[in-house]
Amino acid sequence: DTGVSQDPRHKITKRGQNVTFRCDPISEHNRLYWYRQTLGQGPEFLTYFQNEAQLEKSRLLSDRFSAERPKGSFSTLEIQRTEQGDSAMYLCASSQVEPGNTIYFGEGSWLTVV
Amino acid sequence: AQKVTQAQTEISVVEKEDVTLDCVYETRDTTYYLFWYKQPPSGELVFLIRRNSFDEQNEISGRYSWNFQKSTSSFNFTITASQVVDSAVYFCALSEGEAAGNKLTFGGGTRVLVKP
Repeated sequence: DTGVSQDPRHKITKRGQNVTFRCDPISEHNRLYWYRQTLGQGPEFLTYFQNEAQLEKSRLLSDRFSAERPKGSFSTLEIQRTEQGDSAMYLCASSQVEPGNTIYFGEGSWLTVV
Repeated sequence: AQKVTQAQTEISVVEKEDVTLDCVYETRDTTYYLFWYKQPPSGELVFLIRRNSFDEQNEISGRYSWNFQKSTSSFNFTITASQVVDSAVYFCALSEGEAAGNKLTFGGGTRVLVKP
C-alpha cells in the first residue's frame, strides 16, 4: 500500500504564472483534503472532497485557487496568477469516511513565487 | 470555533532527557478526536496517535506517552529518553467531527531539538 503522493515536490514560479499540483491519495480513501502551511505555522485547511464532490472550501481559498477531483481518485490544485503570498507548502491528505478517522498526509509540494 | 494551542514554540534538550509537549484545545463538541503528528525536516506529517473524547486512558508506545485530561482540555505528549532522531516539529490537532468532514484544526507546533 502506497501512501499519499504529491507532485511536484518543489516548484519555483514567477509571479503571475499559473501552477498546478497533483495529489494521489491512498487508494481506498474516499476523502481527500488540501492544506496550506507557511513557515513556522501549523497547516491550515483549504478544501476537501468526498469522492468527486467538493464539500467545503475555506475562506483562505481565494478565487485564484481551484481544486478538482474529477473521478474521485486523484486531485489537482491550481493557483492562477500566483502572488508572493502564495509561497507555502501545499499538503494533500486522505482518509476513509468514518468519524474521527485518521487523516494521512503526503510529503507536500513546496511553492516559491519569485 | 475549534482552537488548538501549543504554547511552547521550541524546546531544546540533550539526548536522553525527557521532553513534554503541551497541547490545550477548545471545542463545543461532546464527541471529538485529538491527534499528534510529527513533521521531520523532509516535510511529511507523520501520524503518531489518535484519541477520542471518551477515552481518557493514558497511552504508552515505546518511548512515547500521552496524557489526555478532559477536565483541563489538555492532551500532552512526552518523549522519554529523547534521541537525536526525535528532532522535528510536533503538531497537536483536533478533529471537527463527521459533520465537518473530520477536518483537522492544528496548533502552531512545537519544534523539538535534541542535541547529542
